[in-house]
Order: sequence, then C-alpha cells, then structure tokens
Amino acid sequence: DVQLVQSGGDLVQPGGSLRLSCAASGFIFSSYAMFWVRQAPGKGLEYVSGIRSNGGRTFYADSVKDRFIISRDNSKNILYLQMGSLTTEDTAVYYCARELDSRFDHWGQGTLVTVSS
Amino acid sequence: DIQMTQSPTSLSASVGDRVTITCRASQSINIYLNWYRQRPGKAPDLVIYAASTLQSGVPSRFSGDGSGTDFTLTISSLQPEDFATYYCQQGYSFPRTFGQGTKLEIK
Repeated sequence: DVQLVQSGGDLVQPGGSLRLSCAASGFIFSSYAMFWVRQAPGKGLEYVSGIRSNGGRTFYADSVKDRFIISRDNSKNILYLQMGSLTTEDTAVYYCARELDSRFDHWGQGTLVTVSS
Repeated sequence: DIQMTQSPTSLSASVGDRVTITCRASQSINIYLNWYRQRPGKAPDLVIYAASTLQSGVPSRFSGDGSGTDFTLTISSLQPEDFATYYCQQGYSFPRTFGQGTKLEIK
C-alpha cells in the first residue's frame, strides 16, 4: 500500500526555520512528482511547492518563493520542505502529496507548523 | 495563475438528497479538474479526477461532469459519511490551484 508518513511539524518563532519530511513507501518514489499543500486553521487548501520525479525542476507558490526549498532524496524515498523566514501567515497543517497525471492521488497525514512568539 | 471558484461555499442537505457543487476556472483547463473530499481533521481524499473519472474505491453515487471552464460534482444520494468539505483543483498548469471549498452540512 502507498504510504506517506510526515514528520517535523513544531512550534517555531517568527523569523525561524523548520524542515518537514515525508517518508514514502509502497511505490517507486523516484517515478513520481511530489508536492506540499498547506491548510491554515479554518481555511482552505493552498498549493505550496512541487518537485519533479528526478528533482530536476521545482515549483513554488509566490507566497513562499525565496523562503522555502523543496527537495527529495530518491535513494531514501524522502521528500523535504525546508522553510525559512517563517511568519505567522505560515501557520498551517502541511500535507505532502503524490501527483499522478495532474491529480494528487495519495496524501500524507499532515503535520502542524505553528509560528508564534 | 488560474483562479478556481466554487459555489455554493456551504450547503445544507439531508441524507438521501441529491446535491451538486459547481466549480469554475478563470480560463480553459480542458478536463484537468479534480475533486477532493476532506473530513474534519483528516487529509483530503481524491474523489473524481479528469473531470469525470471516479477514483478507485469511491462509491458510484459520486459523479463529475464538465470541460473547459465549468465543472460539477454531483452526489446522487447523500450518505452520512459524505458530509464534509469538497474542493476542486486544476491540474492544467502551475501553480496548481484549489477552489475555496464547499462545506456540506447535515440539515
């Protein structure tokens, strides 16, 4: 079975940094583009970032560009999101998701990032 | 960026009712339109992809239609587990964008 297990969410101060991880199993990780999607408390889903299967191309929402870096380790089957210069606006549950033919067909369980002093 | 607009934003219905949610894209997205269901405190689940294809394991009471800019999600006979928030999402171009969501509540 496809599994995406997330970790790394925490309470962090404004201006701080955090790295999220998403460990994949049950499929050939290196064959799929992967994405991060977030959901602020009581709000809708917001695309954050994506990365091609071989890591050769990355995509970012304007709201996180130049602050977040998406990466992957295909030898370890892990997706990462390095977040920096965090603000209270970044407080959200962050989900990783696998993309298959332009659809997110499997999602991680979510991890909460709280930015607060 | 392609804007996705859902209507209504909330909907009250009863078990057994037929409901339809609409999603409109700000430009043509062909059939690159997906629907997700999100139950409280849970990750979203894919329900419909490519506008009208039912995701494996999803009950046949769910159906999708549309192409270009206008799309619909219909649930033919609501069951208790269907009361959730539904999101459309375009997979036509980057950045991938979602509708604002439609909260389906029990009347």
